[in-house]
Amino acid sequence: GAGVSQSPRYKVAKRGQDVALRCDPISGHVSLFWYQQALGQGPEFLTYFQNEAQLDKSGLPSDRFFAERPEGSVSTLKIQRTQQEDSAVYLCASSLLGAGGPLSTDTQYFGPGTRLTVL
Amino acid sequence: AQSVSQHNHHVILSEAASLELGCNYSYGGTVNLFWYVQYPGQHLQLLLKYFSGDPLVKGIKGFEAEFIKSKFSFNLRKPSVQWSDTAEYFCAVNAQTGGFKTIFGAGTRLFVKA
Repeated sequence: GAGVSQSPRYKVAKRGQDVALRCDPISGHVSLFWYQQALGQGPEFLTYFQNEAQLDKSGLPSDRFFAERPEGSVSTLKIQRTQQEDSAVYLCASSLLGAGGPLSTDTQYFGPGTRLTVL
Repeated sequence: AQSVSQHNHHVILSEAASLELGCNYSYGGTVNLFWYVQYPGQHLQLLLKYFSGDPLVKGIKGFEAEFIKSKFSFNLRKPSVQWSDTAEYFCAVNAQTGGFKTIFGAGTRLFVKA
């Protein structure tokens, strides 16, 4: 496929469960971003990877959130001990170039998102 | 802190009406500005972006946006909307120097009546 894919598309978790959300970026894209989108809001930045390096994790809301991209392609966002306030759509985006500085104009390509509902 | 404000959360227009969606940002440095669109059932996609040069930027599907630095604004316009423009529109900003965050506004839902 030519676009960013995410799985699962929908996830229902009981409060306290751990979840793992997967993102497959466009092949060859250096940058990968995770966003959280609450109902009625815009995407909110969580973390940024340049290849396998996590260069910015300032948006992760708590230490229950963890992201990795071990081989510089597929990324996983893990949420431990889920809470109801974690319910949101989690979006992944990739861009061809490294972000930051002059490269921050590069277009981000978004996946369809994973809708997480915590009961 | 950086922020993006979109003035209208919901807009309803008839076909052929003109559109202007407001966007103001708060950031002291040099920025890049974006408009993204999400059509029903589709992914977020880039509509247009500004980073330098002519402050009037043209995008896909007849959309344009004007960067007014003195007003910290980047309003989206289209002279004549179509039913197919029904979508949610997001304004976004990131910094040209330092940092990797892109900050999004809360979005404007546009409904165009046929």
